[in-house]
Amino acid sequence: AQRVTQPEKLLSVFKGAPVELKCNYSYSGSPELFWYVQYSRQRLQLLLRHISRESIKGFTADLNKGETSFHLKKPFAQEEDSAMYYCALLKSGAGKSTFGDGTTLTVKP
Amino acid sequence: IAGITQAPTSQILAAGRRMTLRCTQDMRHNAMYWYRQDLGLGLRLIHYSNTAGTTGKGEVPDGYSVSRANTDDFPLTLASAVPSQTSVYFCASSEGDSNQPQHFGDGTRLSIL
Repeated sequence: AQRVTQPEKLLSVFKGAPVELKCNYSYSGSPELFWYVQYSRQRLQLLLRHISRESIKGFTADLNKGETSFHLKKPFAQEEDSAMYYCALLKSGAGKSTFGDGTTLTVKP
Repeated sequence: IAGITQAPTSQILAAGRRMTLRCTQDMRHNAMYWYRQDLGLGLRLIHYSNTAGTTGKGEVPDGYSVSRANTDDFPLTLASAVPSQTSVYFCASSEGDSNQPQHFGDGTRLSIL
């Protein structure tokens, strides 16, 4: 069965510092991986997905199949990045996603 | 604005009562999902539906039931609420059989006393 692990429940950095939210997965097939974000009092929304290979709000994430990781990175954190971040794995063609437990990021001024 | 609508926004309920959380989407997505979000436990899938007329059990289905009579609606019912079902409930939808992300509602905050 597939599994998604986000080892850090809480992560705190200062504004302007680099930030990396870790995500590791276990899945025997070819995964589709996503990062979702939930800002305070808002709904979860898609941040980015690995196949798009784009940068959203300065965030990037690279799928490393060798290390089975999909870490989310941003070189210079902003206060508005403070939110809960979820990594999710979608089995190819299955529809259902498996979510990690989430990481709460706090960016301090 | 197109998307997912959940109702109610919040509810306080006595233990033992029956409660239905409503979820409606207007994106004509085939698949719909119900999650509960608990502190320290992330998002856990309760039930899902790949298409109208079909449903499946997720990770934590006990105490909950769902129905999918049509494409747009996916209500979640607690037949006899218990305090451990106090949580925030999120409904989501996706195109289902394609590798598309999920779209979420605003959530329902449910407290069982």
